[in-house]
Amino acid sequence: DVKVTQSSRYLVKRTGEKVFLECVQDMDHENMFWYRQDPGLGLRLIYFSYDVKMKEKGDIPEGYSVSREKKERFSLILESASTNQTSMYLCASSFWLAGGRSTDTQYFGPGTRLTVL
Amino acid sequence: AQSVAQPEDQVNVAEGNPLTVKCTYSVSGNPYLFWYVQYPNRGLQFLLKYITGDNLVKGSYGFEAEFNKSQTSFHLKKPSALVSDSALYFCAVRVSYNTDKLIFGTGTRLQVFP
Repeated sequence: DVKVTQSSRYLVKRTGEKVFLECVQDMDHENMFWYRQDPGLGLRLIYFSYDVKMKEKGDIPEGYSVSREKKERFSLILESASTNQTSMYLCASSFWLAGGRSTDTQYFGPGTRLTVL
Repeated sequence: AQSVAQPEDQVNVAEGNPLTVKCTYSVSGNPYLFWYVQYPNRGLQFLLKYITGDNLVKGSYGFEAEFNKSQTSFHLKKPSALVSDSALYFCAVRVSYNTDKLIFGTGTRLQVFP
């Protein structure tokens, strides 16, 4: 079974702090994603990465950055946390099949509920 | 731009009755459509997908979805609901054929009453 783990289930930080959310997958997946989930808004893509050191902005990248130094690990960074970044953060991964077509399935971690005070 | 809409925030159904969770889509080209489910305090799980072929797609836990091109819909269905089906359901569409990037709907909370 694919396993995607996130470093914390619950996190409380103060405004202005630098926050790191870590995600690790154990299936050698090329693609990794960070979403935030808010009631009434569904999931919105923050950043994704299709290879080590490669990243692309999603729909709401403002206030966030990412790092992918190793294939299995994808970090989301809040440079200066603000109260409007209080949310559930979900990490996901997927892989490319031979020939460049994906499995179409993303595997999700359990989520990190971040509260910024 | 690709998008999906889930018109119902919540669907209530009695156990044993059929259930439908609605999704409509707007895409240019052929749609790649998905349903994911989120059980309480857990991450999202893949349920089923439509890429091409039969309009009726079968997935996990007895769920199925019907792709309707003329109505641009991809409704999730189950013939007989279980209390354990109570969860948050998300419809999603792939942005393009050569990426895994998905656009998710706002989610529909399904409540099955005993």
